[in-house]
Amino acid sequence: AQSVTQLGSHVSVSEGALVLLRCNYSSSVPPYLFWYVQYPNQGLQLLLKYTSAATLVKGINGFEAEFKKSETSFHLTKPSAHMSDAAEYFCAVKGQAGTALIFGKGTTLSVSS
Amino acid sequence: DTAVSQTPKYLVTQMGNDKSIKCEQNLGHDTMYWYKQDSKKFLKIMFSYNNKELIINETVPNRFSPKSPDKAHLNLHINSLELGDSAVYFCASSQDSSATEAFFGQGTRLTVV
Repeated sequence: AQSVTQLGSHVSVSEGALVLLRCNYSSSVPPYLFWYVQYPNQGLQLLLKYTSAATLVKGINGFEAEFKKSETSFHLTKPSAHMSDAAEYFCAVKGQAGTALIFGKGTTLSVSS
Repeated sequence: DTAVSQTPKYLVTQMGNDKSIKCEQNLGHDTMYWYKQDSKKFLKIMFSYNNKELIINETVPNRFSPKSPDKAHLNLHINSLELGDSAVYFCASSQDSSATEAFFGQGTRLTVV
């Protein structure tokens, strides 16, 4: 069975500061891992995904994540936060064919000026 | 053109009523999903259809019944609505059941009063 744990339900940063959102996964098979972003009253938008190619994955809006098998982690980072990054971020895992995305509980990112 | 569209976007109804939410995707995908996002923003898979066949049926009250008239549509019918059904329901689609990326609709906010 697959699961993800997002550490920290709320992260606050200043504009221009480093963003680090933590995600650890559990999977009995090689996982596919994702980060999605949800802006207020919007659907989910894919930021980036890991599908067993490069361990460092670059996504949209300057975000990237690194897959670390030894740590079972897939943390999301952005070097410099922007006010527009304030949103809900979800880490998700998918196993074999016929399964659906399993989401973490989400992390709310607040960015202050 | 919206890739995954849901109607209605907002739905307010009384307890005991029956309601439906419609979802359509124009991406040519084979697989569609319904997710429920609760008040704490936790996203949970409810159902998935692949080419009109049910492939995922999580522990959901049987008051919830999905219907897929064709692979581009997946509707969700809810009977005898209860207060606890209040949530945001998201439809999503992926190319097939092994695909690594899902595209989400904008969500339907259901409020049961």
